[in-house]
Amino acid sequence: KAGVTQTPRYLIKTRGQQVTLSCSPISGHRSVSWYQQTPGQGLQFLFEYFSETQRNKGNFPGRFSGRQFSNSRSEMNVSTLELGDSALYLCASSFIPSDMGDTQYFGPGTRLTVL
Amino acid sequence: KQEVTQIPAALSVPEGENLVLNCSFTDSAIYNLQWFRQDPGKGLTSLLLIQSSQREQTSGRLNASLDKSSGRSTLYIAASQPGDSATYLCATVRSLAGGGADGLTFGKGTHLIIQP
Repeated sequence: KAGVTQTPRYLIKTRGQQVTLSCSPISGHRSVSWYQQTPGQGLQFLFEYFSETQRNKGNFPGRFSGRQFSNSRSEMNVSTLELGDSALYLCASSFIPSDMGDTQYFGPGTRLTVL
Repeated sequence: KQEVTQIPAALSVPEGENLVLNCSFTDSAIYNLQWFRQDPGKGLTSLLLIQSSQREQTSGRLNASLDKSSGRSTLYIAASQPGDSATYLCATVRSLAGGGADGLTFGKGTHLIIQP
């Protein structure tokens, strides 16, 4: 069974640009969550989607947005990039939402560098 | 706001030793707690998930315990091996007033090195 896949794996952008990251969950999984990992702040929750609906959102500015498609694939968008957005963005999937006690499986991440 | 703390931040032990990693959290209203490992440059691998109603979970040489009332969890690794070298993270999913959850809240991790 294929794991969680994220594309692209590496991305370099400049300040002010926008970026879209993609996540394909494990087959059959309907819940997708996104996390940002930086050396200073560690891993921080961005948002979670289940059946195309955003269930909850972390404490990030509105420049960070996401969506989920009917096939459970998810995209995350960051507009007006700032230097501080440089991070590893991780996607995780599970059968059911995180509050229902399911194990979350993580992808390898997308390394975003903002110059 | 949930805060998760992991002690120690780094640990280096000889191969074969048993060891304990500690995790504490400030809000006991959690749905579950998960332990992960992260290898350099890679994503997270789930090790164990403990539901809020459970006290412990075991998988092979790993045993995780949960004490919700005191806000603590431990990960016990038996007979450590060099392949266990990684960063170990614990994370909780917290229930919110009015329903729902706030996603996984992670500690900063324990960087573990097992010396051959």
